[in-house]
Order: sequence, then C-alpha cells, then structure tokens
Amino acid sequence: GAGVSQTPSNKVTEKGKYVELRCDPISGHTALYWYRQSLGQGPEFLIYFQGTGAADDSGLPNDRFFAVRPEGSVSTLKIQRTERGDSAMYLCASSSGQGVDEQYFGPGTRLTVT
Amino acid sequence: AQSVTQPDIHITVSEGASLELRCNYSYGATPYLFWYVQSPGQGLQLLLKYFSGDTLVQGIKGFEAEFKRSQSSFNLRKPSVHWSDAAEYFCAVGERDMRFGAGTRLTVKP
Repeated sequence: GAGVSQTPSNKVTEKGKYVELRCDPISGHTALYWYRQSLGQGPEFLIYFQGTGAADDSGLPNDRFFAVRPEGSVSTLKIQRTERGDSAMYLCASSSGQGVDEQYFGPGTRLTVT
Repeated sequence: AQSVTQPDIHITVSEGASLELRCNYSYGATPYLFWYVQSPGQGLQLLLKYFSGDTLVQGIKGFEAEFKRSQSSFNLRKPSVHWSDAAEYFCAVGERDMRFGAGTRLTVKP
C-alpha cells in the first residue's frame, strides 16, 4: 500500500511569509507525528496527534508553529512569519496508534527561508 | 529527560568488514530503543527496535543490536558490510515523542 506522503517536496519562501506543509499518513493509521531535521542533525520531535487531537505538542519551538488534523487523517503544519532559522527538512510519520509501534516516515518537505 | 548520544559522527569501513555503531541513551524508565537508516533522498527506515525481552535484537538487512542496561547502550552491528549500507544511521529513544541522536554517517570503501 501507499506510504506516508508529504507535499510539497520542496518549498522556498521569503522571510516573514506564511507556509503550510501537508502530510498524508498511511491509511488507517491513527497516530501522526511531525519532526524537524536541521542539516547534520537528527530529527527533532515537534508534535504528535492521536486522531484529531494533539496529544503532545511539547516540541513546537514557539507560537509561530501550529499543526492541525481536523478529520484524523491528513495533517497540516503551519508556520507563520517564517524566519531563516526555520529552514530545515520537515518530516512526517504515522503509526497504527496501538501502543508503542513503528513510526513510518515520509520523504519530508525541504523548507528554505530566504 | 530522555536523550541519545551517538559518539561517532563519521565512520569508514571496507566492504566485507564488520561494523559497530555506538549509541548511548538517557531515559528514566525501561527504554524503547530504535535504529533508523536514512539514505540520500530517502525517508527514514526502521532497522530494528527493542522494547523488552531478549537483549539481542535482529533487524532487517542483516543488522542486529544489543541492549546493555548497565552501560546504557544500544550498539548496532553488522558482521559484513555491503557497499549499499553507506548511509546515515540514527539511534532513537522514546515512546511517541522519539529523541534521536545526531547520527553517524557510514562510508563504505570498496
């Protein structure tokens, strides 16, 4: 079956602009995660959804970052007033939601803020 | 707080040689431990995981890892490396909010 998909694959935006990054999880997966990976670093946890609700948003760096998952499937990560420091690969993962289970990662969205 | 340290930023091995990638973790309870591999342009792929039970776990592509609680380690091993194993390897700890190490880049010499 289809894996996790993310769109766009690349996004270039100007400092101060608003961006939205989309994630389509594996069908039937109730848990969805967002991570950010800066160059030369490991992924950094941002937020975790179980169904429609954000079960843990402790990793969001500040209030410019927000994520939604209104129907419990597709999720959108929203970044307001982008800064150059937001440039990174944004990774989405999904899992079945049954206990602690494998997270399946998408290919990521490369965000560049100029 | 949970954290992961991968002491080796870059490792080079010859094809056919054995491999060991180090991972040390800090975690308050029984850890859930993972190894992922990331090839250029590819998403993260799970190699293996440890939740409980046998401390030697087998994964895909001939990899294995051993959980040593006394050393807070979860090192990844492979007896004979193939050129296709060249990639970035990440150790991670946690339940849902996984904490990743900074990664070890593996280069394979012919």
